[in-house]
Amino acid sequence: AQSVTQLDSHVSVSEGTPVLLRCNYSSSYSPSLFWYVQHPNKGLQLLLKYTSAATLVKGINGFEAEFKKSETSFHLTKPSAHMSDAAEYFCVVSDHGNNNDMRFGAGTRLTVKP
Amino acid sequence: ETGVTQTPRHLVMGMTNKKSLKCEQHLGHNAMYWYKQSAKKPLELMFVYNFKEQTENNSVPSRFSPECPNSSHLFLHLHTLQPEDSALYLCASSQTIDRRTYGYTFGSGTRLTVV
Repeated sequence: AQSVTQLDSHVSVSEGTPVLLRCNYSSSYSPSLFWYVQHPNKGLQLLLKYTSAATLVKGINGFEAEFKKSETSFHLTKPSAHMSDAAEYFCVVSDHGNNNDMRFGAGTRLTVKP
Repeated sequence: ETGVTQTPRHLVMGMTNKKSLKCEQHLGHNAMYWYKQSAKKPLELMFVYNFKEQTENNSVPSRFSPECPNSSHLFLHLHTLQPEDSALYLCASSQTIDRRTYGYTFGSGTRLTVV
């Protein structure tokens, strides 16, 4: 079965500096990978997804993620943090060998300091 | 507005009460889901509906009873809940049951507190 580990429960950056949120996955088959963002008192919003096309995936709000099979990683990055990026971020893996099962990571809370 | 609407946004209920959560989507999606989000825990998939038929029940206690009258509406009926059931309940939809390809559209959730 697939699994996902978000390596940091909390990341704090200053506005204008780069963001790196780390995600490692385990999968027996070719995975689909997603990043979702959840702002306070809101549902989850899809940021980007990888489904076996280009390994560098661009998403909304300037975020991107790179699928690295050799490192089993799918880290989320943004060159310059904005105050509005403060939220909870979830990495999700789905294993094409397992019937539609989607596994969510525990989440990383991003704080952006002025 | 994400396209998936959940009501109410907040709910406080006693352990002997009966209440219902409502979810509505007009995205033309065929599959709908209930998730539970508790503090410090990953999201837990509760129920899956495809074309209004239940296809998955992930060992959810019977005090949670889902209902899907059509592909656009999903309910979660609650009765005799426990304090540990307090959580954010999220409804989601996807174009098809193959959510690996399309991903989810989530509602804003219902914050449930059981007292």
